[in-house]
Amino acid sequence: GQQLNQSPQSMFIQEGEDVSMNCTSSSIFNTWLWYKQEPGEGPVLLIALYKAGELTSNGRLTAQFGITRKDSFLNISASIPSDVGIYFCAGHGSSNTGKLIFGQGTTLQVKP
Amino acid sequence: DADVTQTPRNRITKTGKRIMLECSQTKGHDRMYWYRQDPGLGLRLIYYSFDVKDINKGEISDGYSVSRQAQAKFSLSLESAIPNQTALYFCATSGVPPQETQYFGPGTRLLVL
Repeated sequence: GQQLNQSPQSMFIQEGEDVSMNCTSSSIFNTWLWYKQEPGEGPVLLIALYKAGELTSNGRLTAQFGITRKDSFLNISASIPSDVGIYFCAGHGSSNTGKLIFGQGTTLQVKP
Repeated sequence: DADVTQTPRNRITKTGKRIMLECSQTKGHDRMYWYRQDPGLGLRLIYYSFDVKDINKGEISDGYSVSRQAQAKFSLSLESAIPNQTALYFCATSGVPPQETQYFGPGTRLLVL
């Protein structure tokens, strides 16, 4: 089945630094979603992307749906301590089963 | 109030016991999902339901069963719990295309001794 490869697996950065993470797939995806999960909570949707090439921002977060429809990235600018958490990419594949496929997650730690 | 609620939030049980995890939603969504999360493995789909009369197996359904009692309720059962079912379990809901974004509950942390 379709799979997503998310990288990096973890990041430890200084407050104020910019962060970039990405997801790639060998097959086409119709949507890309980025979620954040904080300890003890469920994933919360950050950004949803529906069209190839789409670039969307949500505050300090920016995500893009790759032109090839096989990748997406998430950038966080000027990181702050509350950005700590696990970030997941997810997508609906081209088979239109309605199922969401998740990446393995990127654990972000921010040093004040 | 949260749109997707899960009960219990934490549960400790013994090997061989039957347990049920419950999920309720007030978003009016037709579609509901159960996931399992293990460290380093992301979220894996156990079962999903696109409406009250629809139940589908996900990628890791063995050892689990579900019941869609109503549009708003979707429960997950472990008929005979085993230690490797110790994990974090999440319920999610979504609308139908194009509103397929999934919204997650707060999770149930399950420990099987």
